[in-house]
Amino acid sequence: AQTVTQSQPEMSVQEAETVTLSCTYDTSESDYYLFWYKQPPSRQMILVIRQEAYKQQNATENRFSVNFQKAAKSFSLKISDSQLGDAAMYFCAYRGNYGGSQGNLIFGKGTKLSVKP
Amino acid sequence: DSGVTQTPKHLITATGQRVTLRCSPRSGDLSVYWYQQSLDQGLQFLIQYYNGEERAKGNILERFSAQQFPDLHSELNLSSLELGDSALYFCASSDTYLGTQYFGPGTRLLVL
Repeated sequence: AQTVTQSQPEMSVQEAETVTLSCTYDTSESDYYLFWYKQPPSRQMILVIRQEAYKQQNATENRFSVNFQKAAKSFSLKISDSQLGDAAMYFCAYRGNYGGSQGNLIFGKGTKLSVKP
Repeated sequence: DSGVTQTPKHLITATGQRVTLRCSPRSGDLSVYWYQQSLDQGLQFLIQYYNGEERAKGNILERFSAQQFPDLHSELNLSSLELGDSALYFCASSDTYLGTQYFGPGTRLLVL
């Protein structure tokens, strides 16, 4: 069974600085998707970024980028120029991509990010 | 705003009762997923429907059931409620069977 591990329960960053959140996963599949979701205090789950395993190029969305290391099964999220609004729980998630695979997301336990002004 | 709507936002009920949570997916999305978020279990997948048919089951209790209607909205029914069922219940939708999932705002259930 696939598992997702976020080893940093809490992280803190100074406003305008850069922070990297770690995520590792375990799977025997070769084709899959990885996601980062943000959950602010409102509890809404917001998609931050998506990475297809077959793509070697790391995904980027404005200030958010990932470092995807398929062989190491590592998927870290880098937030540049951190803003107060980035303070939230961040969840790493895995989803298989086989035709017969369940389409559900498997989540890590999350990393709580604080941003200091 | 993801385009996924969930009602009600909050629900307070007593043990032993039954409740129904409702989800309307984004326009055009055929797939609906239900997740439960609790402090001790984290985010867990419950069940998936695709175009009216059940497609996958996760850690869903027998006391819980769901369905997806012809207009594609979905309902999650929770019965014989226990204190441990208190959680945030999310609905997510995607346009295809394996598409990117967009989450609704959730229904916060408190069982007293």
